[in-house]
Order: sequence, then C-alpha cells, then structure tokens
Amino acid sequence: LAKTTQPISMDSYEGQEVNITCSHNNIATNDYITWYQQFPSQGPRFIIQGYKTKVTNEVASLFIPADRKSSTLSLPRVSLSDTAVYYCLVGRPDESNYQLIWGAGTKLIIKP
Amino acid sequence: DSGVTQTPKHLITATGQRVTLRCSPRSGDLSVYWYQQSLDQGLQFLIQYYNGEERAKGNILERFSAQQFPDLHSELNLSSLELGDSALYFCASSVESRRTDTQYFGPGTRLTVL
Repeated sequence: LAKTTQPISMDSYEGQEVNITCSHNNIATNDYITWYQQFPSQGPRFIIQGYKTKVTNEVASLFIPADRKSSTLSLPRVSLSDTAVYYCLVGRPDESNYQLIWGAGTKLIIKP
Repeated sequence: DSGVTQTPKHLITATGQRVTLRCSPRSGDLSVYWYQQSLDQGLQFLIQYYNGEERAKGNILERFSAQQFPDLHSELNLSSLELGDSALYFCASSVESRRTDTQYFGPGTRLTVL
C-alpha cells in the first residue's frame, strides 16, 4: 500500500494561491491520486483525482510530475472558507476503496 | 449536500448502553462504508457493505456490528458503550467499491458517551 506524507499544517492569506504537496514515493504504476477536503465536524468531500501531468476542475488543480512520486494540490485565490483539512490518498482501481489509508491530512488555515 | 443521509445527528448516552446509527446512501450507490473519527484524529475505517453483503472489515470492535438492508440503507450498532467510543461516525457511499471510486460522505453522527 502506497504511503503518503503531507505537511501537518499550513497557513496562508485570503486571495493567495495555496499549494499543498503530498509525497508518495512508493506509488505503483496503476495508482491514482485523490484529494479530499474536510471541514470541521463534516464528512470529507472529494476535490480532485488524477493519474499524471495536470488535472483541473472548478475547484482546484492537481499537478503530478513525470516520476509521480509526489503531487501538488493547488487552490487558486483562497478564501476563509477554504480553511479545512486536506487529505491525499493513493490507490488503484483493482483494489477496494476500503483500503484507502486516511492519514492526518494537512490542516490549512486561511487568515484575513 | 452529498446525497448521503445519516440519523441521528447527535446522540448522547451512558456507558454500557446500546445505540443504532442509520445511513441512507446516494441513490444508485451500492457500497456503504462506516468510519469513526475521534477528536482531531484521522478517519478509521470500520466496515464496508456492498449490495447487502459484508465486503470488508477494518478496525471494528466486536461490540460493534452493522448490516445493509435490501433497500441499501445501513445501520451501525454499537453496544456496551465505553467513554472511548465517543466520536464522529461517518457513513460514506460509492457506486462500486474500487479504490478510485469517489466516496460521498454523510454529515456524520456525533456520539457522546457519558
């Protein structure tokens, strides 16, 4: 099972771009990278998923370098409401979802 | 709104008691997962059901049990409750059970054991 490493916490300010990096040195060939966001006392919410290069949706971008040993979640122009915990997860389609390992995530605090 | 509903939202009970948490998955989702999240901790996977059958067990205590009914709603039963069982309990659902399937989480049930 690919293990991920993320910073425990990060601070930023409203209007800034925030980049959260996740290391997954043991990522397997068929592994995908998925990010979830969790607000206090709420369930996690899917943000974005990718396999290689770059993926962008209305909420975030995900950058994955060629060696895929890390990935970066980019949140453009953050607001106070982006304060949350962000989880990076790695897994492949032929494995069951229950095997995802939810670490402590990155606690992002946005300041005014 | 994820489309996953959980009841009750809050539950306060005493040690030694038994409670039942209920989850209704999103329409069309076959997999249901239960997670426990203690204060400032990560999510701990408890158990998964797929189309009515138990698919996988995680760190679920013997005092806990679950089931998924024909209409696909699920219940998590917690018995002989202890103070340490106080936590947020989340239910999630997905279309199938592949690791790349998006999990949709409910709002959670906050259990307080006094």
